[in-house]
Amino acid sequence: GQNIDQPTEMTATEGAIVQINCTYQTSGFNGLFWYQQHAGEAPTFLSYNVLDGLEEKGRFSSFLSRSKGYSYLLLKELQMKDSASYLCASGSGNTGKLIFGQGTTLQVKP
Amino acid sequence: DADVTQTPRNRITKTGKRIMLECSQTKGHDRMYWYRQDPGLGLRLIYYSFDVKDINKGEISDGYSVSRQAQAKFSLSLESAIPNQTALYFCATSESRGLSYEQYFGPGTRLTVT
Repeated sequence: GQNIDQPTEMTATEGAIVQINCTYQTSGFNGLFWYQQHAGEAPTFLSYNVLDGLEEKGRFSSFLSRSKGYSYLLLKELQMKDSASYLCASGSGNTGKLIFGQGTTLQVKP
Repeated sequence: DADVTQTPRNRITKTGKRIMLECSQTKGHDRMYWYRQDPGLGLRLIYYSFDVKDINKGEISDGYSVSRQAQAKFSLSLESAIPNQTALYFCATSESRGLSYEQYFGPGTRLTVT
């Protein structure tokens, strides 16, 4: 079956570090995506992992463990503008389809 | 100009009405997708298309139909709208080569069925 799990809500303080976890069970797994979505707006691409390990991109990093079916998104030096939903999505097979989790709403407080 | 556009951006319609949501892209991508988003449920795939002649159902296609008029245009129709189709609808596109299937999303259409 296809299943993506991530926490519904998280709260963190401006300037801090937050880790958003995602576990997945996907047939024909073909990579793990993270998207950011501000309220009422379109999702925008943050990162893609297909091999195990950590990918760093500025303040954002993403990690993947294929054997554990686990990924996380790490946000450093949090800013108020980072308040958004973060969507974990798994690539499935060679169709280009993505299976999305329900999203994690992150609230950054001063 | 935006690479993926959707019209209308907002629409209120009545139960039983037929409605069409349109999506256009200038990215030159072969693959196009329609999703709906509901609070607490994330993005769910309605239909997807690999090219003009290849259209496939997603996980929640009942009550919806699509038309791929050209590589750049993919329309979603609700033949007889019902209140539980009230949602935020997104169109997305992606390339068809390589391992990375990053999808690019349009701005969304907020549909309310009364």
